[in-house]
Amino acid sequence: DTAVSQTPKYLVTQMGNDKSIKCEQNLGHDTMYWYKQDSKKFLKIMFSYNNKELIINETVPNRFSPKSPDKAHLNLHINSLELGDSAVYFCASSQGRGLRKMEQYFGPGTRLTVT
Amino acid sequence: AQSVTQLGSHVSVSEGALVLLRCNYSSSVPPYLFWYVQYPNQGLQLLLKYTTGATLVKGINGFEAEFKKSETSFHLTKPSAHMSDAAEYFCAVSESGSARQLTFGSGTQLTVLP
Repeated sequence: DTAVSQTPKYLVTQMGNDKSIKCEQNLGHDTMYWYKQDSKKFLKIMFSYNNKELIINETVPNRFSPKSPDKAHLNLHINSLELGDSAVYFCASSQGRGLRKMEQYFGPGTRLTVT
Repeated sequence: AQSVTQLGSHVSVSEGALVLLRCNYSSSVPPYLFWYVQYPNQGLQLLLKYTTGATLVKGINGFEAEFKKSETSFHLTKPSAHMSDAAEYFCAVSESGSARQLTFGSGTQLTVLP
């Protein structure tokens, strides 16, 4: 059984389009995250949700909007896609407070290519 | 503010040789330290973590890391490399107390030569 799943795995689209990436976790975790990994493999957190509430919102363009319909899902919607948005986007989840939150479980990633 | 530096974006070792991946951190408070591994086309997986107590921590797949406060380091080692260890390795830090978020290093690609 997949613990953290993301769809789609690959996404190729043109500049200016709007797209969404979906994430689901079946671990019963209360916190979910979105990370962006650029072409140099640098990994940076974008958002974090705890029990459907936004708790971390790093410096990310307003074109990126996370939505959490329930604790098990955290979707990422991107408006007006730009070339610089091309990256691998990872969803992750964790449970609990403090240190336990740092033990994060990652999805397989979504490779977004903007042409 | 916290930060992580991984020395060497690419490391190659022969099968059976010692693996040493370097990580130095910066943190204004005692840190929590982590190593994650990313196999090709997969998400990250936790290898091991240091919180408090014993400075030598053991993880999965025979890896271990030692926290050295005086050197602000948390290097990852494995006595004998296996072909299946080929992957990207990320060191990460979180400030204890808040544990608000992880800050990752830029990663080290490990290649294991036959």
